[in-house]
Amino acid sequence: DAKTTQPPSMDCAEGRAANLPCNHSTISGNEYVYWYRQIHSQGPQYIIHGLKNNETNEMASLIITEDRKSSTLILPHATLRDTAVYYCIVLSNTGKLIFGQGTTLQVKP
Amino acid sequence: DSGVTQTPKHLITATGQRVTLRCSPRSGDLSVYWYQQSLDQGLQFLIQYYNGEERAKGNILERFSAQQFPDLHSELNLSSLELGDSALYFCASSVTSGGTLETQYFGPGTRLLVL
Repeated sequence: DAKTTQPPSMDCAEGRAANLPCNHSTISGNEYVYWYRQIHSQGPQYIIHGLKNNETNEMASLIITEDRKSSTLILPHATLRDTAVYYCIVLSNTGKLIFGQGTTLQVKP
Repeated sequence: DSGVTQTPKHLITATGQRVTLRCSPRSGDLSVYWYQQSLDQGLQFLIQYYNGEERAKGNILERFSAQQFPDLHSELNLSSLELGDSALYFCASSVTSGGTLETQYFGPGTRLLVL
């Protein structure tokens, strides 16, 4: 299973874009990049996923580099409710989500 | 609300006891996954069931077992409980058997405290 590397913590001002990076240099050609977040001790919440093209939904945008070795999750206008731990996961054929330590995003007023 | 339900929300028990955690997947989902989140280990995959059959196994202890019933709900049984089993237990569900394009949706979790 491909491993991911994320910064342990980041701060963002409320209303500004939050850009969360993730490195996944050992990703294979058919493995998707998934992003989840966990607010306090709630269940992880699905945000977005992608293979090689940039993706956007109502929650966020996902930018994947051309070589697929890294990606960035963008929350366009962060709010205080976006304060959470964000997990970048490469989903392999096993279907198991392998959670790392994630990035703790603190949105500040 | 993900559509995945878990009961109970909280559980307090003593060492050596046995408990059962219950999960109901989203309507139409055939796979159920169980995860454990402890302070020192983070979120770890335990086991997956697909349409009643065990599909994948992770770091699940022999004292733990699970099953998925014909109505697709799942139960995680934890026995001979130890202090270290105190954790959040999450259930997730997905449409089919899993793979590289299979979004899992998580329930709110059961918080287990072993005293």
